[in-house]
Amino acid sequence: AQTVTQSQPEMSVQEAETVTLSCTYDTSESDYYLFWYKQPPSRQMILVIRQEAYKQQNATENRFSVNFQKAAKSFSLKISDSQLGDAAMYFCAYDYSGGSNYKLTFGKGTLLTVNP
Amino acid sequence: GAGVSQSPSNKVTEKGKDVELRCDPISGHTALYWYRQSLGQGLEFLIYFQGNSAPDKSGLPSDRFSAERTGGSVSTLTIQRTQQEDSAVYLCASSFSGAQPQHFGDGTRLSIL
Repeated sequence: AQTVTQSQPEMSVQEAETVTLSCTYDTSESDYYLFWYKQPPSRQMILVIRQEAYKQQNATENRFSVNFQKAAKSFSLKISDSQLGDAAMYFCAYDYSGGSNYKLTFGKGTLLTVNP
Repeated sequence: GAGVSQSPSNKVTEKGKDVELRCDPISGHTALYWYRQSLGQGLEFLIYFQGNSAPDKSGLPSDRFSAERTGGSVSTLTIQRTQQEDSAVYLCASSFSGAQPQHFGDGTRLSIL
């Protein structure tokens, strides 16, 4: 079974600084998707960034970028120029793309605090 | 456009009662998912609907849980004879197809007294 591990229950960053959130996963598959979702206190899960495993190039979305290391099964999220609105719970998630069910397997989450 | 809509936003009920949670997916999305988020277990997959195919119920924790999706659109998650361990946030998500990113609703916070 696939597992996703986020080893940092909490992280904090100063406004305008850069922070990196860690994620590792375990799978025997070669083709899959990885995601970072953000969950503010409003509870809605918001997709931050998505990476396809067959693509070697790291995904980027504005201030958000990932460091995808397939051999190491590592998928970290870097947030540059952190803003107060980035404060939220961040979840790393895995989705096997070769099956018939695209259910997400989530990590336990990292609570990010942004200090002014 | 409108996102995934879930109702009610919060539900408090007594142990042993039945509850129904509703999810209205984004128009045109053929895939619909239910997840449960609790302090002890984190985020867990419950059930997946894709078009007219038989749903994947592999994540339902017991036979007290059931879900249906009518007309390929609105879905209802039903919990019978609720227990205190059912207290959690129930999240619904939809996607254009199974391979596309999932869009989540705001969830229903269920509290069992």
